[in-house]
Amino acid sequence: AQSVTQPDIHITVSEGASLELRCNYSYGATPYLFWYVQSPGQGLQLLLKYFSGDTLVQGIKGFEAEFKRSQSSFNLRKPSVHWSDAAEYFCAVASGGGSQGNLIFGKGTKLSVKP
Amino acid sequence: GAGVSQSPSNKVTEKGKDVELRCDPISGHTALYWYRQRLGQGLEFLIYFQGNSAPDKSGLPSDRFSAERTGESVSTLTIQRTQQEDSAVYLCASSFSGVGGTEAFFGQGTRLTVV
Repeated sequence: AQSVTQPDIHITVSEGASLELRCNYSYGATPYLFWYVQSPGQGLQLLLKYFSGDTLVQGIKGFEAEFKRSQSSFNLRKPSVHWSDAAEYFCAVASGGGSQGNLIFGKGTKLSVKP
Repeated sequence: GAGVSQSPSNKVTEKGKDVELRCDPISGHTALYWYRQRLGQGLEFLIYFQGNSAPDKSGLPSDRFSAERTGESVSTLTIQRTQQEDSAVYLCASSFSGVGGTEAFFGQGTRLTVV
């Protein structure tokens, strides 16, 4: 069965520092992978997605993620964190679309940003 | 519509009463998902529709929970004989199923409080 693990429940970084949020997935075939962000009082917003092709994907708000099949990982990175990035981040995996397009989410990583 | 719409946005109900939560997906989206998010928790998958059928309802926590979808459009999640542990935000998402079509767009959620 598909599953997603986000090992870090809560991370605190200083503003301007770099960020990496970890995501590991379990899926038998090539997965579709996503990162969503949920800001306080806001809905879920898609940051970026990987379907195929280049394993380094760029998203909105300066985020990027790298798909590493050998490590079953899809870690989210940002070179310089802004205070407005404080939010909860969810990694998700889907099977290959069509009638199998279920989405499974990790439990999330809460990001706090120190001034 | 422009986005996924959920109603009501907030619902307070007495323990033991039935509630209905509504989701209007983005027009043309054939896949529809329901998730539950308890306070401070991640997204818990409930059920997934492809068209009007539900190939995966494995996440429904008990027989008090049911969902239906008609006209490949609106979906209703019904919780019978509500319990306090049902208190959560219920999120609906939709996606256009097809090649690479599993990007899901989320509604703002219905915050259910059982008192």
